[in-house]
Amino acid sequence: QKEVEQDPGPLSVPEGAIVSLNCTYSNSAFQYFMWYRQYSRKGPELLMYTYSSGNKEDGRFTAQVDKSSKYISLFIRDSQPSDSATYLCAMRTGNQFYFGTGTSLTVIP
Amino acid sequence: DTAVSQTPKYLVTQMGNDKSIKCEQNLGHDTMYWYKQDSKKFLKIMFSYNNKELIINETVPNRFSPKSPDKAHLNLHINSLELGDSAVYFCASSQPSGGKEQYFGPGTRLTVT
Repeated sequence: QKEVEQDPGPLSVPEGAIVSLNCTYSNSAFQYFMWYRQYSRKGPELLMYTYSSGNKEDGRFTAQVDKSSKYISLFIRDSQPSDSATYLCAMRTGNQFYFGTGTSLTVIP
Repeated sequence: DTAVSQTPKYLVTQMGNDKSIKCEQNLGHDTMYWYKQDSKKFLKIMFSYNNKELIINETVPNRFSPKSPDKAHLNLHINSLELGDSAVYFCASSQPSGGKEQYFGPGTRLTVT
């Protein structure tokens, strides 16, 4: 079993839709939870970072962590064509980072 | 201002050759990493250095050798390149455990023919 599981998609939504991206994990030692956005032929860039269970909001993005269920989510409201990218969840314990396989998202104008 | 930079951006070479990829970060971070991203976009950790000391060394062929001349630089040398080494290699940096996120370089697209 992989440390982090993420549905690779692809996911295709119309502009303005609410997008939900999810990851599950198995390691209780994970302390920090992150979402990265990666555009084609670019490096991953950090979108959201959370430490505890609960919600964290930043503009159109909301990150949600449920440590009891070992489940994290990223919600994108009012999705835009510029949100089309691959979204990777990542989790950290100590100096180790574990990444999901990424979900490819396309927002259709 | 580039936080994490890598050179070269593209590298096309033949099987059997030896090549190096360089990485530099100007964030003052203590920890640097090398990742390999395959065609399916899966990011796999290869190495991590903290203050020039190797702290993570995943199961990679010993043809891959990282070198950290100082804490702002982490280079990756690959000997006897094979077809299966073709991938995008990302350098990243972060603060140690007490810190937070990880910052990535733009990647080096290696193609072995």
